[in-house]
Amino acid sequence: DIQMTQSPSTLSASVGDRVTITCRASQSISSSLAWYQDKPGKAPKVLISQASSLETGVPSRFSGGGSGTEFTLTISSLQPDDFATYYCQQYSSYPWTFGQGTKVEIK
Amino acid sequence: QLQLQESGPGLVKPSETLSLTCTVSGGSVNSGNYYWGWIRQSPGKGLEWIGSVYYSGNTYYNPSLKGRVTISLDTSKNQFYLKLRSVTAADSAVYYCAIVNAASYNVNWYFDLWGRGTLVTVSS
Repeated sequence: DIQMTQSPSTLSASVGDRVTITCRASQSISSSLAWYQDKPGKAPKVLISQASSLETGVPSRFSGGGSGTEFTLTISSLQPDDFATYYCQQYSSYPWTFGQGTKVEIK
Repeated sequence: QLQLQESGPGLVKPSETLSLTCTVSGGSVNSGNYYWGWIRQSPGKGLEWIGSVYYSGNTYYNPSLKGRVTISLDTSKNQFYLKLRSVTAADSAVYYCAIVNAASYNVNWYFDLWGRGTLVTVSS
């Protein structure tokens, strides 16, 4: 199975900060990567697919980049609604696997 | 608007079978537009894809669970199901139903829509 490793595990930031989360794959996955946002009591929501393609309705402050084995999710100006846990997922190779998550908390 | 809602027992005894239902509204499980599936989240293992089913009945399972898992669907009830046999404490998790968009020729296996999840605890 392809292992997905996210860093950091926890990120403390303030409203307005630019934050970047990294996701590394144990082997090349081309651009077959999605990012999700997870909040307590709510359904996880896909933000980005194909590493950099923003899903419909997702604010433009979210952006994704990378290919191969290293990927990033950037929030250009953190908003109160963005405090959540973020996961990456590869869909290059079966079985589909997820990173362990990055919790973005209020500083 | 398509919505998913998980339901089922919150407590299952060790060695028994965990059975969950996902009720679909705003769409039909009998369409070829989606793969209907299950994902779980436990403190020890994070998010884990369990498996998915297509309207044709074709199933796709995570090899780590193959042999214990069955996913099926009932078009008359517009529901799909998860059965996980011989459970242990390690199967305690929040279980989500989720869909993959199958509309394109090359399916990208990321999860477009999730339910809110249901907590299942395995304990005697």
